[in-house]
Order: sequence, then structure tokens, then C-alpha cells
Amino acid sequence: SQQGEEDPQALSIQEGENATMNCSYKTSINNLQWYRQNSGRGLVHLILIRSNEREKHSGRLRVTLDTSKKSSSLLITASRAADTASYFCATANQAGTALIFGKGTTLSVSS
Amino acid sequence: NAGVTQTPKFQVLKTGQSMTLQCAQDMNHNSMYWYRQDPGMGLRLIYYSASEGTTDKGEVPNGYNVSRLNKREFSLRLESAAPSQTSVYFCASSEASGAWDTGELFFGEGSRLTVL
Repeated sequence: SQQGEEDPQALSIQEGENATMNCSYKTSINNLQWYRQNSGRGLVHLILIRSNEREKHSGRLRVTLDTSKKSSSLLITASRAADTASYFCATANQAGTALIFGKGTTLSVSS
Repeated sequence: NAGVTQTPKFQVLKTGQSMTLQCAQDMNHNSMYWYRQDPGMGLRLIYYSASEGTTDKGEVPNGYNVSRLNKREFSLRLESAAPSQTSVYFCASSEASGAWDTGELFFGEGSRLTVL
């Protein structure tokens, strides 16, 4: 079964707006990762946040982690059309040996 | 650097045929993974290899076999393809070398398989 679940499944916004997507997971984690997938391409790593961190920034990306609620959020500020993609959160499986992905949020940014 | 290379990129099979998807990485990574991606299902882990010579089942291993040929190469074999195996298959690798060491995954561009 999948460890993480993203919400919403789909999100449509205008260029310049902020996009927020959420991830909930089920078990204890060592870290949580976010990935991006452009249509027809492989996944690309965006950011990793460790269980002892509450917030992390990378350029226009801001990730928060609340281990008490078993949830994380990814905020993309000042969205661009090029941000159109699917975004996935991932956490380790129960053995801690591989990543399990959620079903993803599809973001559409229109100009 | 090529990163993670998958072959073939596209393949059409008939039910019952066999085939092998090839994956190679040039980053000297310890761990390699095979995922499948289906519409509305996200990515599901098929098999993974934490080091050369070891393989383990993931979430959906039935109907598949894998071989970690050496540190660079990790192949996925469908012995008797079924229409339910129509999917996009992704290979990935990471530096991870033990439990709870799962860091960034590097993905290939995918292999699109259709089973008729």
C-alpha cells in the first residue's frame, strides 16, 4: 500500500499565484522527499526534509513537515507556466530500504 | 554523464511473450529500483536492489523477475507478459547503502510497455 497521499489530486492556477500541495503519510519517517515529473519524463528530485526539520527552502520552493500530524506541504511561490507538472511526495517503506510514492498532485499553471 | 539509462523506450508485446527491460547507471550508486506507473495509481515499487548481488520484492512483484548483473546494471524481466502489465516502467538509483539511508533517487526516462 502507498505510504504517502497527496492532496489535491489536481490544481489549476494562474501564473504568479502560489501553489500549495499537501502530503499525508502513515508511519514514522526518517525523511520525506518531494519529486516533480514533467509530462512523459522521469521524476526529478526537488527537496528532502528530515524528520527533525520543520521547514526547508529551495529557491521558490518551501516545504514544511509536521511529524505530529504525519503531514507535509509543498509551496511553490510565484508560479510559472514551466511549473506545470505532477508532484509526488515519497517516504521510506517499512524496512527503510526503498522509497514509496504517493499518487501525486497534477499542477497546471496557465499564462 | 548519462545518469540512468533505460532500454527500450517503447515496446509492444503480445500476451505470453517475454522480454527484459534494461537499466544502467553511471553514478556508482549502490541501490537500484524498478517502479511501474499507471494512470491514477502513482508509482509502485516492483523490486529493488540495495547492493550488488541482492534483490528484494517491493509492493507489486508478481509476474516479474530481476537481476542485479553488476553494480551498474539492474534488469527487469517479464516471463509471460499479461495485459495488466501494460504500464510505464521507471528505473532509479541512489547512493543509499543501508536501511534508513534512503536519499535522493535519480530516475531514467521510462520504458513504455504495451501488452496486447
